[in-house]
Amino acid sequence: KNEVEQSPQNLTAQEGEFITINCSYSVGISALHWLQQHPGGGIVSLFMLSSGKKKHGRLIATINIQEKHSSLHITASHPRDSAVYICAVRYYLGNQFYFGTGTSLTVIP
Amino acid sequence: DSGVTQTPKHLITATGQRVTLRCSPRSGDLSVYWYQQSLDQGLQFLIQYYNGEERAKGNILERFSAQQFPDLHSELNLSSLELGDSALYFCASSVGAGPTYEQYFGPGTRLTVT
Repeated sequence: KNEVEQSPQNLTAQEGEFITINCSYSVGISALHWLQQHPGGGIVSLFMLSSGKKKHGRLIATINIQEKHSSLHITASHPRDSAVYICAVRYYLGNQFYFGTGTSLTVIP
Repeated sequence: DSGVTQTPKHLITATGQRVTLRCSPRSGDLSVYWYQQSLDQGLQFLIQYYNGEERAKGNILERFSAQQFPDLHSELNLSSLELGDSALYFCASSVGAGPTYEQYFGPGTRLTVT
């Protein structure tokens, strides 16, 4: 069963807080992507991970292949980080992409 | 601006009709992906093309078809439209076909079927 589970579904944080969004998947993957979707609908790719950890500015993404789990961290959150964050995986079998249901983040000033 | 363009931005049509959505990838990108985002099903992968050839297929209905042309732009054809086809359709592009290439998303086409 090719499931991608994200938690939490909704998250409200105060500006400056450290935020963690989690993604779990069920079988072996060739890559995991973190996407950001703004209220206007546009989608931006934040990270592609196949192992380890990546950092870009205040964003950090990690993946644990053995535990089939990835986390997206936002340090010193800001209201402009308010968006939906979506985890997507590409499984070895079938070569398809599967998406989590997204985490809606609201950062309050 | 990702460099990926999609036309039209909005499309309103009736059930039973046929529409064509168009996508132009970033300059230099050979791979094009199509995705559907609906309120009830979230984001779903439809199909991927690489340099004109179908590379991977997802949950694409038989009423839907796609192709990538020699100039690398792609079209997604939706026919016998149903109310449930109302969704945002995104196109994305990447340099290569493999799973580890970053994808760049277009602004989407919002399809409303009435």
